[in-house]
Amino acid sequence: RKEVEQDPGPFNVPEGATVAFNCTYSNSASQSFFWYRQDCRKEPKLLMSVYSSGNEDGRFTAQLNRASQYISLLIRDSKLSDSATYLCAVNGRGAGNNRKLIWGLGTSLAVNP
Amino acid sequence: DTAVSQTPKYLVTQMGNDKSIKCEQNLGHDTMYWYKQDSKKFLKIMFSYNNKELIINETVPNRFSPKSPDKAHLNLHINSLELGDSAVYFCASSPMTGGNSPLHFGNGTRLTVT
Repeated sequence: RKEVEQDPGPFNVPEGATVAFNCTYSNSASQSFFWYRQDCRKEPKLLMSVYSSGNEDGRFTAQLNRASQYISLLIRDSKLSDSATYLCAVNGRGAGNNRKLIWGLGTSLAVNP
Repeated sequence: DTAVSQTPKYLVTQMGNDKSIKCEQNLGHDTMYWYKQDSKKFLKIMFSYNNKELIINETVPNRFSPKSPDKAHLNLHINSLELGDSAVYFCASSPMTGGNSPLHFGNGTRLTVT
């Protein structure tokens, strides 16, 4: 099993739709979780950190499910500008300074007019 | 006031050549990274430095040699370039090590080896 897995998609949704992505992780000791957005030929940019209690930023909601070892990202009222690849990152195995973020391959979202 | 800047943005070179990529961050972060993103979009860590000290080296070929003159700079020198080195190389920084804080990425260097 990969350390971090995402459904690659693509997810094709109409404007205004609600869409959700999951990201599963294998290391039960992981403590830090992030969602990033990457546009074509650009660098990944932080979208949200994911906290145990869940967090919301405008149309975006992130949740953590420790029991089932996944994080989720919900996008409400999709905009054309939300079209991008969404990457999850989870801190993986190792200890102290050697611990690093493990990245999913990303989920591609296309919002259509 | 770019936070993490890397140069050059594009690099096209022939097999066997040696090239360098430079990175600077003005965020005051202690930790810097080099990542490689291949054609399949997999983002893989290569190196991590904390306060100029190498802390992660992910079994990268010896042809790749990072250097951090100070905590705001991390350069990458690549010797004897191979076709398989073609990828996008991202520099990044974070306030802390251990994957506990989010990374801030530079805009990438697209390396093409012919």
